[in-house]
Amino acid sequence: DTEVTQTPKHLVMGMTNKKSLKCEQHMGHRAMYWYKQKAKKPPELMFVYSYEKLSINESVPSRFSPECPNSSLLNLHLHALQPEDSALYLCASSQGKRTVSYYGYTFGSGTRLTVV
Amino acid sequence: GENVEQHPSTLSVQEGDSAVIKCTYSDSASNYFPWYKQELGKGPQLIIDIRSNVGEKKDQRIAVTLNKTAKHFSLHITETQPEDSAVYFCAASMGGGSQGNLIFGKGTKLSVKP
Repeated sequence: DTEVTQTPKHLVMGMTNKKSLKCEQHMGHRAMYWYKQKAKKPPELMFVYSYEKLSINESVPSRFSPECPNSSLLNLHLHALQPEDSALYLCASSQGKRTVSYYGYTFGSGTRLTVV
Repeated sequence: GENVEQHPSTLSVQEGDSAVIKCTYSDSASNYFPWYKQELGKGPQLIIDIRSNVGEKKDQRIAVTLNKTAKHFSLHITETQPEDSAVYFCAASMGGGSQGNLIFGKGTKLSVKP
């Protein structure tokens, strides 16, 4: 299995809703990432998990809450979002830094989020 | 921190022609340079990458060159086909995991006209 699977593919939510995005990989990768991508822009890093521990939070508002239950799963919990949070949310994974070769990010297809 | 500049922002070529996209980076500690292709509604897909100990790498119609001294790297696509039309992103990193997160260029929209 060489894929990163993201669900759902599309999500529409109100500003008072709580929802979660899910990401799964079975490549044995120990680093997992959340990126946010606005239209016609490059992906922007939000969070990095390394060996199931949060290692980087790029000053993301607390209405976004990441969770890494195990080495294969990554969640992004959403609460009280704003319309400007509408974007494509991408999950990626790569080998952890303790391995000899830790290059090569694999991206999922993303969740298209619309906040109304 | 690292900054990656990518040019051009749009590129239109005739089918069969070559396409070249150029990127420069600022941090000499960066040692990994991937190129991603992103089609509409999809996530970025790695098409080729190069590490700092290599000057050139080729995979069929796609090649990447790296000039560490000048801190620039380029993507070359030969014999372009309509299915090559997409947005291409270059990126730079100091490796995977928490020490080496990808910094992306702003992207190049490539259009290949039949």
